[in-house]
Amino acid sequence: AQSVSQHNHHVILSEAASLELGCNYSYGGTVNLFWYVQYPGQHLQLLLKYFSGDPLVKGIKGFEAEFIKSKFSFNLRKPSVQWSDTAEYFCAVILSGNTGKLIFGQGTTLQVKP
Amino acid sequence: SAVISQKPSRDICQRGTSLTIQCQVDSQVTMMFWYRQQPGQSLTLIATANQGSEATYESGFVIDKFPISRPNLTFSTLTVSNMSPEDSSIYLCSVGQGFDEQFFGPGTRLTVL
Repeated sequence: AQSVSQHNHHVILSEAASLELGCNYSYGGTVNLFWYVQYPGQHLQLLLKYFSGDPLVKGIKGFEAEFIKSKFSFNLRKPSVQWSDTAEYFCAVILSGNTGKLIFGQGTTLQVKP
Repeated sequence: SAVISQKPSRDICQRGTSLTIQCQVDSQVTMMFWYRQQPGQSLTLIATANQGSEATYESGFVIDKFPISRPNLTFSTLTVSNMSPEDSSIYLCSVGQGFDEQFFGPGTRLTVL
């Protein structure tokens, strides 16, 4: 069955540290890829998405992600995290021919220490 | 984008009872979805709510347990029937357009005793 794996379940960083969260999916066809974030007490919201074109995509708040097709990966990065980045991060995919069905990874809780 | 509201925001229910969760969108949308997020786990799609026809359920979810209504293009309800403690979860409504991003509601936190 198709699945999405996030390697890190809980990450603790100090402010200004660099962040990379891993995401891999298992599906051989075309996918649309997403990173969502849920800040404490807030709705799930989109950080960035990739459909096609430049595999390096930039999102809100200085986040970026790189799609590496050969590795089935879509890792999220940020050069310097802030305390306000403390949140839960979800990687998700929509498979071609599977209209609307978002398949989510397990989520990564990021805690940034001031 | 779309603004989505859900009612109730949270509830505590007794085993064997049912709860209906409402999802309201501020604009007409084609696709509405219901997800479940069990404690410590990720989001799982329950069903796609189709306007004017029966909902499309994912494997492991059935209409008798999770009946869904979609009377128009801005509103949907999800009922959690004959609840047990295992139904304690956050239930989220989302809207989207095909293969593009989805917008999520704030969720309904359900605790079943």
